Formats: sequence, C-alpha cells, structure tokens
Amino acid sequence: QQQVKQSPQSLIVQKGGISIINCAYENTAFDYFPWYQQFPGKGPALLIAIRPDVSEKKEGRFTISFNKSAKQFSLHIMDSQPGDSATYFCAAIVASGGSYIPTFGRGTSLIVHP
Amino acid sequence: DAGITQSPRHKVTETGTPVTLRCHQTENHRYMYWYRQDPGHGLRLIHYSYGVKDTDKGEVSDGYSVSRSKTEDFLLTLESATSSQTSVYFCAISDAGLSNYGYTFGSGTRLTVV
Repeated sequence: QQQVKQSPQSLIVQKGGISIINCAYENTAFDYFPWYQQFPGKGPALLIAIRPDVSEKKEGRFTISFNKSAKQFSLHIMDSQPGDSATYFCAAIVASGGSYIPTFGRGTSLIVHP
Repeated sequence: DAGITQSPRHKVTETGTPVTLRCHQTENHRYMYWYRQDPGHGLRLIHYSYGVKDTDKGEVSDGYSVSRSKTEDFLLTLESATSSQTSVYFCAISDAGLSNYGYTFGSGTRLTVV
C-alpha cells in the first residue's frame, strides 16, 4: 500500500518555466511534510518542509502548497533552471509521538532544458 | 555529506557471498536508517536503529540484517547476496525531532551482485 502518492513520475520543463510536483497522502496522522532533492550519484538532501498548520511556505524559488482538507501538497519551482534538474521526493512523517520515519513518494525526475 | 560516511562506495560481489556495508556518523544522532533505492520504487526502508543495540525492521528487511554496537556505526549485512539485492543503498541519520525532523543521507553505496 502506497501511503504517499507522487506525480508525475517524470517532468520536462523549459528554462524559466514553472515545475509542479504533486503528492497525496492518506494517513491523517502525518504532521510534517518535507521535500528532498537528489542529484545523480548523491544522496537525497532536504530542500524544504512544511507543517500542516500553514498553507504555503516559500524559500527562494521553491514553494510548498499544502491543502489539508484534500490531503495533498505540492512543490512549485519558479523560474526553473537547468541546475534544478534532479529527482525530487516528497515525504510525510508522523512527528508527534511517532517513529519519525518518513514515508516517501516514489520520486519525480525533473529535467530542465536550457 | 557532512557528518555521515558510507563505505564502500561501490562493490561488486558474487551471488551467495555475504556482504557488509558500513555507515559512520559524527553527529551523535540517535536514529540511523538503511534504505535501498531502485528505479520505480523510490526509497524503501530496510532496517533502522533507535539506539545502540536497538533495531527494527523496515518494509524490505528479508535477506538483510543490521547491527549497531556504537552510536556512530550502523552496519548492514546481506547474509547471502542475490541478484535482486543489486541496488543503491543509502544510510540516513536523524535527531528525531530535536531540530526539524530532517534526515541527512549519506552518498550511497552502489552494490552489484553478479
């Protein structure tokens, strides 16, 4: 059973465009939602994260939008650059009294063409 | 990646042989994890540890064992390697809520079983 569903599996965007990756979850106990960025040959690295008490968090060109009622969250990359080409994973964690183990989506391979 | 080192980075082994992968951290984090990453499957948890000598199974633990005799070291052993265990293995550490619940991943070990 896939508890965090991520889409699309792959995404091609032109330089300067907006990249959007979506995730949906079932478990309402999740209370922390990080996104990870992974470059080829490297381990995933924390990019940005959000808690469910806010609907949006922005860090530079990266924005998380969170819809608690729909149990969905998304990553928006504004003004996408070739250097953003990477695999992106969403995750969900039960942080309050939980095991702190993330449930990961299956990843989105993003290619930004120059 | 600062504070977490995996060894070896690459390994080729024969079917049926035992293999041990090592994860070493200098962050004194309580939690350590082993994941495997395969195309189309994302990151799947193999085993994790919540303290010295305290370990538990993840979703894909069959054929793997772990040991943690010191806070800084977490070993993953493939007791009798099979071709289905060809994968990229990542170690991760976490301070389990003391900061922002973020994981730090190592750079990975690419294991090929022939």
